[in-house]
Amino acid sequence: GAVVSQHPSRVICKSGTSVKIECRSLDFQATTMFWYRQFPKQSLMLMATSNEGSKATYEQGVEKDKFLINHASLTLSTLTVTSAHPEDSSFYICSATTSSYEQYFGPGTRLTVT
Amino acid sequence: GQQLNQSPQSMFIQEGEDVSMNCTSSSIFNTWLWYKQEPGEGPVLLIALYKAGELTSNGRLTAQFGITRKDSFLNISASIPSDVGIYFCAGQGAGGTSYGKLTFGQGTILTVHP
Repeated sequence: GAVVSQHPSRVICKSGTSVKIECRSLDFQATTMFWYRQFPKQSLMLMATSNEGSKATYEQGVEKDKFLINHASLTLSTLTVTSAHPEDSSFYICSATTSSYEQYFGPGTRLTVT
Repeated sequence: GQQLNQSPQSMFIQEGEDVSMNCTSSSIFNTWLWYKQEPGEGPVLLIALYKAGELTSNGRLTAQFGITRKDSFLNISASIPSDVGIYFCAGQGAGGTSYGKLTFGQGTILTVHP
């Protein structure tokens, strides 16, 4: 149980375009999902907290207009990187919490902006 | 903000050896979690600790939640090559706006030589 999926697993896009990443909890309902960013050989950095049916809460320094988060249902949250630039290239990971607040992570999405 | 110090940063050991890593915090956490991450994948939950002083095992892994609620350790006994990866500790918020959020340690890179 507690499986989280992400789609796509890898994406390459051109500078200036937008990219949408999906995060799904497959076998449980997640009222809260989190989005993280990870640079090579570094730890996970929390970007935002996403609650179903409400606006996401962004961490300090994360641009909400650049990283659009939508949590449309109890099993789906999306992160859209708008007007992507090469510095947005990174590994994006989502997590979803169970009713006991344990966080289960998706497999990540590797974004490369050319 | 909350910070976790995880050590050691990396370990190179022989197969069969035991491994120990730890995390300390400047703040109290309600929950300590230990994750393992392999290249190109999301973190996988190994052990969750909910009570100060709690000692929990999962196969060859043993972790403890420190009495002060500001530290935790993870031991791996009789290491095998598939233990290779990055191990992260994470503390879960004690309340208020940080409830449910995870703060990650910097990670311990484990290499096991056959």
